[in-house]
Amino acid sequence: AQSVTQLDSQVPVFEEAPVELRCNYSSSVSVYLFWYVQYPNQGLQLLLKYLSGSTLVESINGFEAEFNKSQTSFHLRKPSVHISDTAEYFCAVSAFGNEKLTFGTGTRLTIIP
Amino acid sequence: DVKVTQSSRYLVKRTGEKVFLECVQDMDHENMFWYRQDPGLGLRLIYFSYDVKMKEKGDIPEGYSVSREKKERFSLILESASTNQTSMYLCASSQHLPNNEQFFGPGTRLTVL
Repeated sequence: AQSVTQLDSQVPVFEEAPVELRCNYSSSVSVYLFWYVQYPNQGLQLLLKYLSGSTLVESINGFEAEFNKSQTSFHLRKPSVHISDTAEYFCAVSAFGNEKLTFGTGTRLTIIP
Repeated sequence: DVKVTQSSRYLVKRTGEKVFLECVQDMDHENMFWYRQDPGLGLRLIYFSYDVKMKEKGDIPEGYSVSREKKERFSLILESASTNQTSMYLCASSQHLPNNEQFFGPGTRLTVL
């Protein structure tokens, strides 16, 4: 079985400052990793994913995440946040060949003007 | 534009009532999922369906059942609603390939009085 830990339930950040949202996972088998974002009053949507290849993956809106196998982490970063990044962010994991996802508890990102 | 729709955004029911939550996807996806989302607990999988009439229990199936009679429609049933089933319910779908992106509906906020 897999598990995901997001230690920070809430992260307040000033506008245009950098941010890192932490995600650690546990699994006895190889995994794929995902970040989903939930904007206020909406469903979740995929932000980025790591399946294979380069350990650094990027999204179209400036977020990036790096898969670190030795530290079992997949932290999400953005060098400069905007008000529009206000949302809840969920890290998720699935085992190779498994179509189900296991989600973390989420991190609520609040941008301070 | 791909879409997952859910029958209601908000629903209020009384304890003991039978509740139906409907989900429809227009992407011809094989897989469909029902999650509940609670603060501090993230998303937890209730049931998963990988084909018409096929279903698999998730992490928290107790008190719920599902029905998938057509490929595009996946229903979640609360046979006798209880107050501890007050939650946000999210439906998702994905292609029948490992580790594919899940597309989410906007959610149904169910309150059981």
